[in-house]
Amino acid sequence: DAGITQSPRYKITETGRQVTLMCHQTWSHSYMFWYRQDLGHGLRLIYYSAAADITDKGEVPDGYVVSRSKTENFPLTLESATRSQTSVYFCASSRGNEAFFGQGTRLTVV
Amino acid sequence: KQEVTQIPAALSVPEGENLVLNCSFTDSAIYNLQWFRQDPGKGLTSLLLIQSSQREQTSGRLNASLDKSSGRSTLYIAASQPGDSATYLCAPPTGGGSNYKLTFGKGTLLTVNP
Repeated sequence: DAGITQSPRYKITETGRQVTLMCHQTWSHSYMFWYRQDLGHGLRLIYYSAAADITDKGEVPDGYVVSRSKTENFPLTLESATRSQTSVYFCASSRGNEAFFGQGTRLTVV
Repeated sequence: KQEVTQIPAALSVPEGENLVLNCSFTDSAIYNLQWFRQDPGKGLTSLLLIQSSQREQTSGRLNASLDKSSGRSTLYIAASQPGDSATYLCAPPTGGGSNYKLTFGKGTLLTVNP
């Protein structure tokens, strides 16, 4: 199906574990983004990417790693999860004008 | 750094009212501005995209305006309905090339009462 898909939708992990959130888009959009959404903070940019193999830090990148070896995929990895990373994570893609968002991944770190 | 402010933070109105949501931003060097809607526990749905060359964009009961020089955008909702209840977010993109990114305000939580 065309669109932008995030997986998993829900994830519970333990402190210190590595976890990867997946994002896949079928439009071949150049730009992709990862945001986290927390009460009181709104949507904050973690990492963004202008094309395959081009990524850059956003507002809150600490503790996260991204890669973009293919245009359609933009995985986000928490190297050693902490409770403060409990949040809802959204992936988005754009070709430089309208942006589209995935359904989100609700991550709980216990 | 782009700073986005949305006023009011929350709004409760009776069904049928016309209402205005405000968005202000500090960096006016934008290509366009996008308005989104977010229902509780859901992702963001694009409502309207206004190009920098436009002053207004309409979709059904929604009308968005953009004044780049003053760093403001307004979303007008006509004849509000309970189904319009959601959080509304504006996002002016900044940067270009490899630095293109979206910055969000904290949104306006709209409740339309039957």
